[in-house]
Amino acid sequence: EAGVAQSPRYKIIEKRQSVAFWCNPISGHATLYWYQQILGQGPKLLIQFQNNGVVDDSQLPKDRFSAERLKGVDSTLKIQPAKLEDSAVYLCASSLEPQGIHEQYFGPGTRLTVT
Amino acid sequence: GDSVTQMEGPVTLSEEAFLTINCTYTATGYPSLFWYVQYPGEGLQLLLKATKADDKGSNKGFEATYRKETTSFHLEKGSVQVSDSAVYFCALSETLAGGTSYGKLTFGQGTILTVHP
Repeated sequence: EAGVAQSPRYKIIEKRQSVAFWCNPISGHATLYWYQQILGQGPKLLIQFQNNGVVDDSQLPKDRFSAERLKGVDSTLKIQPAKLEDSAVYLCASSLEPQGIHEQYFGPGTRLTVT
Repeated sequence: GDSVTQMEGPVTLSEEAFLTINCTYTATGYPSLFWYVQYPGEGLQLLLKATKADDKGSNKGFEATYRKETTSFHLEKGSVQVSDSAVYFCALSETLAGGTSYGKLTFGQGTILTVHP
């Protein structure tokens, strides 16, 4: 079975520019997560989708970050405008459903550098 | 809120040495506990998990026991190999009353393990 796909793998932008990341979860997985992993820290949840609805976006900086999951499959995370502190790896994960203890499968991540 | 604290790293060991990576947690409900591993150049992978007190998770020679009294989930392996060199993350997922978990993972900061031949 194919894993979680993310693109691009690397992105370098200047501050105040915008950027978008794409994620394709494992087929049939209803739940999709975006995490931010700053160097030297563990991943932190930004937003969680159940199908195409938002379950938790309490830690998403909504003044600059946005995310959508149209049709309950692929998802896009956008940053506009970017700040230096947004430099991090952005991880996408998916699981069958949130209820119960279902394993989350992680993609390879997108490494963002803001200069 | 929920939090996970891992021992400071990095950890450097010789092959066949005994490994312990300490992990303690703070949670308001009844969390499930996980260890994830990130090998060089790869994504995060689930290593093992435990869903209730006194459960022992195990995989690939690694073990961790869910200790509610000490709020701990320490990772151990009796004899490490060079191929175990990776970053290890302890994490929890809150399980709400009624047994519903909403899946959100709260991670520790990670521990870098390097094993030398």
